Amino acid sequence: DGGITQSPKYLFRKEGQNVTLSCEQNLNHDAMYWYRQDPGQGLRLIYYSQIVNDFQKGDIAEGYSVSREKKESFPLTVTSAQKNPTAFYLCASTPGRGASPLHFGNGTRLTVT
Amino acid sequence: AQSVTQLGSHVSVSEGALVLLRCNYSSSVPPYLFWYVQYPNQGLQLLLKYTSAATLVKGINGFEAEFKKSETSFHLTKPSAHMSDAAEYFCAVSEGDKIIFGKGTRLHILP
Repeated sequence: DGGITQSPKYLFRKEGQNVTLSCEQNLNHDAMYWYRQDPGQGLRLIYYSQIVNDFQKGDIAEGYSVSREKKESFPLTVTSAQKNPTAFYLCASTPGRGASPLHFGNGTRLTVT
Repeated sequence: AQSVTQLGSHVSVSEGALVLLRCNYSSSVPPYLFWYVQYPNQGLQLLLKYTSAATLVKGINGFEAEFKKSETSFHLTKPSAHMSDAAEYFCAVSEGDKIIFGKGTRLHILP
């Protein structure tokens, strides 16, 4: 079955370490997105990519980095510059723009201590 | 920039009662609108979407939403709540390449 795979589901890191969250999709979607979810805050857009080798900053990109070397993959690195990295991270994809809804992975819960 | 306002971070209804979750958007141009549902520790699932074909949109699990341009609203309803409807619900609006989400409403179902 087609879908989006995020791994791992739970991730623990020490403060000051960079960590990379994986997102893979086999839906043949062009666009991919990373959102951060905090209680009571909804989903906030970190980065998105409409095409391979191109990506744009979302509303809260500071302290994060991404790459899009393959259509299927859109990894997110949470750097030590991110002041409050503990959160639930969601990856999503869509075949196009506008009316196309997002398809979501099941998320990675990152805890930094 | 687009914004989405969901009135009420928590809503409680009795099993069998009407569910009404409110969403207002900011655009002056009718946008694409979506409702998603999220169960604990999972991603979001699409309930329904509005793409200007019809103002009353039917979705999965008995939910529907009505687009009202004059009120810039897209409220979600279900005639009779089930215990399985307990979840968090998000309204979202498209803005170019981005989709902007509201802060969510957690729906509690009382037995």
